[in-house]
Amino acid sequence: GIQVEQSPPDLILQEGANSTLRCNFSDSVNNLQWFHQNPWGQLINLFYIPSGTKQNGRLSATTVATERYSLLYISSSQTTDSGVYFCAVNTGRRALTFGSGTRLQVQP
Amino acid sequence: GAVVSQHPSRVICKSGTSVKIECRSLDFQATTMFWYRQFPKQSLMLMATSNEGSKATYEQGVEKDKFLINHASLTLSTLTVTSAHPEDSSFYICSARLGGAGYNEQFFGPGTRLTVL
Repeated sequence: GIQVEQSPPDLILQEGANSTLRCNFSDSVNNLQWFHQNPWGQLINLFYIPSGTKQNGRLSATTVATERYSLLYISSSQTTDSGVYFCAVNTGRRALTFGSGTRLQVQP
Repeated sequence: GAVVSQHPSRVICKSGTSVKIECRSLDFQATTMFWYRQFPKQSLMLMATSNEGSKATYEQGVEKDKFLINHASLTLSTLTVTSAHPEDSSFYICSARLGGAGYNEQFFGPGTRLTVL
C-alpha cells in the first residue's frame, strides 16, 4: 500500500515562530488532507489539498502532486496550535492512509 | 461545514461485555463511513470500511466477528466491540466521506475512548 512519511516527528517552537511541516507519499494520490488533532483527540480538517496552494489565516498548504509531497506552513504560532498534525492521502473513494504525524509544542 | 458525531465519547466496561459505538453524519448523507483505531501516541489505523446497505470490508488482521459493523442508513454506522478485553482498550474514531464530482473529503467524529477493565 501507499506509504506516507511526515517530518519532523517532533517540533518545539516559541510563540510567534514560523514552521514548515512536510509530508511525502510513495505513490500517486487523488486526495490529500491535513488535520490537527487537538488534546481531546478530535481531528480538525485543516486543508483538503490534492494539488496547488491554499491559505486559511495563519496556515497555508502546498501540494506538488507530481513530486509526491505536501507542505504545511504555520506562521506566528500560538500555544493553541499545539497538538499533532497529520497528513493523510487516498485514491478514489478509499479510506485515508495517515502519516505518523508531527507533534508540535508551542511554548509561551 | 460537514459534521460527524460519535456516541458515547467515553466508555468504561468490564471484560467480556459488548460495547456499541454510534457514528452519525449530521448534515450530509454518507454512503461510506470508515472506522479507525488509534493507540496512544500512534497514528490512526484503518479497521474497516462501512458501506450503506452492504457488508463492511475489514482490514487484514481485524476480526470481523469481534468488531461488528452495521451501516443501516445513509447517516448512521455502528461499531460493536463484542466480548471486549483489556487489549481492545483504545481510541476509536469514525469518518464519513463527503463526495461529489471530483471531490472526496473525509470528516471525522470526535472519537470514543474505550477502557476495558
